[in-house]
Amino acid sequence: QVQLVQSGAEVKKPGASVKLSCKASGYTFADYNMHWVRQAPGQGLEWMAWIIGGNGDTRYSQKFQGRLIITRDTYSSTGYMELRSLRSEDTAVYYCLTGAFDYWGQGTLVTVSS
Amino acid sequence: DVVLTQSPLSLPVTLGQPASISCRSTHSLVHSDGNTYLIWFQQRPGQSPRRLIYKVSTRDSGVPDRFSGSGSGTDFTLKISRVEAEDFGVYYCMQGTYWPPWTFGQGTKVELK
Repeated sequence: QVQLVQSGAEVKKPGASVKLSCKASGYTFADYNMHWVRQAPGQGLEWMAWIIGGNGDTRYSQKFQGRLIITRDTYSSTGYMELRSLRSEDTAVYYCLTGAFDYWGQGTLVTVSS
Repeated sequence: DVVLTQSPLSLPVTLGQPASISCRSTHSLVHSDGNTYLIWFQQRPGQSPRRLIYKVSTRDSGVPDRFSGSGSGTDFTLKISRVEAEDFGVYYCMQGTYWPPWTFGQGTKVELK
């Protein structure tokens, strides 16, 4: 069965960077695209970025242009999300999910605090 | 960007009674391929979202048939025919017709009256 297992919680200071991982299993990684979505505490869902599993092409929300990079490693079936220049408003649970929005990881809490 | 507006934002319900959530789009969500890419998610407290319905009305595997999706163009509805205790949580609509970005509604909290 399809599973997406994300890396553990992170605490970062403002201005720092964070890199999260998302290991996929149960399907051929390169055959599927991957999204990243975040959810601030008590808030709704916000789409951040998308990567094509086969060729690694990416699309980003304009909101994060310049400080967000997503990548993937097809050999280890793992997706990565790096967010730079963190600010308190980036405190959220970050989710990876498959391209059809049908499978979600368990989420990773990133806390940005001085 | 396409904006999705859900209503109500809070929906107190009685067990066994029906519930209905509206999702309205600023743009028609009919894609040039003829499909309408409107998805409904359920998020129970402390859990990741779960896709319930895609392309307006197609239920995902394992989703009880008391959940149904309908609508066209810019107006969509999620209905629960008889609310059960496991249905409490927040429901989101999302469009995948015009991207990027994919956009979500604000969410509707279904709670016990």
